[in-house]
Amino acid sequence: DAGVIQSPRHEVTEMGQEVTLRCKPISGHNSLFWYRQTMMRGLELLIYFNNNVPIDDSGMPEDRFSAKMPNASFSTLKIQPSEPRDSAVYFCASSSDRGRGGTEAFFGQGTRLTVV
Amino acid sequence: AQTVTQSQPEMSVQEAETVTLSCTYDTSESDYYLFWYKQPPSRQMILVIRQEAYKQQNATENRFSVNFQKAAKSFSLKISDSQLGDAAMYFCAYVRYGQNFVFGPGTRLSVLP
Repeated sequence: DAGVIQSPRHEVTEMGQEVTLRCKPISGHNSLFWYRQTMMRGLELLIYFNNNVPIDDSGMPEDRFSAKMPNASFSTLKIQPSEPRDSAVYFCASSSDRGRGGTEAFFGQGTRLTVV
Repeated sequence: AQTVTQSQPEMSVQEAETVTLSCTYDTSESDYYLFWYKQPPSRQMILVIRQEAYKQQNATENRFSVNFQKAAKSFSLKISDSQLGDAAMYFCAYVRYGQNFVFGPGTRLSVLP
């Protein structure tokens, strides 16, 4: 398996523009997580999907952020409109919680977003 | 809510020496998993070691081992024979079945030649 695949790796956009980050989880994994990492706030959970259903979106900063998981092999995180304070590294991770318990979270390479 | 604390924002170790990174967590559950992740400058998050709470035996993975104290809710990582490639941010993480991963704030480890 190629692991968790995120695109793009880097994104530079102007304030006010729409940004869409994409993630392909590992095949067979049924949990997907979006994290945001900044120097100030560390690694923050934005949203957690289980079996394609959003379970916990309490970390989504505001209405400008939305996430979808239309099927088990694809998820998007959209920011509209983007602001400079959204600049961060966004990670997607997947794991499997089938059976007795969970496996580790496998992370993608991250998307470095810069909003100017 | 579960929380994970790493009280050492930065640590340094001499090459070939041993270093221990601390992690404590707060939970009322008895069945969960704990992890240590490494994030080098490449920013890739890499699993270092994993511990199931129902196992009393401490996990080991080559030069990496943990000291899991369930009653104290402590989960420290020991790195033996430190190498320059061990320099990275280290994150402690907790997860329980059906829930999201909770990460600590991280410890930045420097390895001195």
